[in-house]
Amino acid sequence: DAGVTQSPTHLIKTRGQHVTLRCSPISGHKSVSWYQQVLGQGPQFIFQYYEKEERGRGNFPDRFSARQFPNYSSELNVNALLLGDSALYLCASSSWQGTGSSQQFFGPGTRLTVL
Amino acid sequence: AQTVTQSQPEMSVQEAETVTLSCTYDTSENNYYLFWYKQPPSRQMILVIRQEAYKQQNATENRFSVNFQKAAKSFSLKISDSQLGDTAMYFCAFGHTGNQFYFGTGTSLTVIP
Repeated sequence: DAGVTQSPTHLIKTRGQHVTLRCSPISGHKSVSWYQQVLGQGPQFIFQYYEKEERGRGNFPDRFSARQFPNYSSELNVNALLLGDSALYLCASSSWQGTGSSQQFFGPGTRLTVL
Repeated sequence: AQTVTQSQPEMSVQEAETVTLSCTYDTSENNYYLFWYKQPPSRQMILVIRQEAYKQQNATENRFSVNFQKAAKSFSLKISDSQLGDTAMYFCAFGHTGNQFYFGTGTSLTVIP
């Protein structure tokens, strides 16, 4: 079975631009979460989606938005890019169904560089 | 707010030896879950071991085991018989009923041949 997939692998943008990152969860998983991992740090929670609804949001500005599609894939959008947005963006899926906590399976990430 | 602290930025261990990575956390919740994830240089995060807070018995997975001290809010990872493939960043993570994970800053482990 395929794991979590993310596209693109690498991305270079300039300040002020917009970026869209994509994630496909493991088949059967309905929960998708997004994390930002700055070099040398642990992942920071950005969003969680379950059954196409936002179920959690981390401490990130409104420039960050996301959505989940009927097939449970997800997009993360970042507007008005800043240099500080340069990071590895990780997508994780799980079999979580609204309660408790489930193992999250991570994708390989998208490396975003903002110049 | 939940916080996770890993106080050892870097560690090294001789092959076949045992090493313990430390993690402490702070939370006011009673029901939660703790995880250790491994991130090799190829960067994909892999679950190493998981512990439910309501279980008193420490989790074990082959060469990996944890020492979970709920009152002290401590969750250390012991790697026995270290192998070269264990070289990676190790992240301690806290998860609660919302399934939002909070990660520590990581410990870079190097296994020396």
